[in-house]
Amino acid sequence: QSVLTQPPSASGTPGQRITISCSGSSSNIGSNNVYWYQQFPGTAPKLLIYRNNQRPSGVPDRFSGSKSGTSASLAISGLRSEDEADYYCAAWDDSLSGRVFGGGTKLTVL
Amino acid sequence: EVQLVESGGGLVKPGGSLRLSCAASGFTFGTHSMNWVRQAPGKGLEWVSAIGSSGSSIYYADSVKGRFTISRENAKNSLYLQMNSLRAEDTAVYYCAREFSESFDYWGQGTLVTVSS
Repeated sequence: QSVLTQPPSASGTPGQRITISCSGSSSNIGSNNVYWYQQFPGTAPKLLIYRNNQRPSGVPDRFSGSKSGTSASLAISGLRSEDEADYYCAAWDDSLSGRVFGGGTKLTVL
Repeated sequence: EVQLVESGGGLVKPGGSLRLSCAASGFTFGTHSMNWVRQAPGKGLEWVSAIGSSGSSIYYADSVKGRFTISRENAKNSLYLQMNSLRAEDTAVYYCAREFSESFDYWGQGTLVTVSS
């Protein structure tokens, strides 16, 4: 059972906008920054969003992050087939004194 | 170009030990905290351990505390994870990851650890 809760799956059609939620608590998302990672099968994760809503260079502006209270969201607009991947949220947890990840969301582009 | 290359994975019996290494290049290793993150087959990501740039700050996930030891040699641009008392549930791909501004901005390709009799 992951400390951060994500839906196991999400789907959308090309061009659509989808969001993936990440729910936590006051000890993690509520008091720390949220990070999002993208992972394709058989490859290492890649940083997608840092500090809640910042994009590293090279990440398309179709990807955006937001945070409110103890929840965060990743939005992908103009969905493309190449966005089909697993997405993970992460944050520092003050109670655990460690990083915590969400269980991951498998995005399918129909 | 930043590169992280893990090694040392393999098949080990329950109760056994293994030492993972991560060779870093392309950046000033001694100025970054480093982490180990693992992923069991078909499962999600699990943070394992972190070590500060000088090695003075160390953190572990509860699942490995007391069994795993993280360390680093800045002069050799290397990160290590000593894993003792291994269990079947430790079976996973182990990634080393560079920490930058609290994020894991670079990851290695991973090394597979299989704990089985």
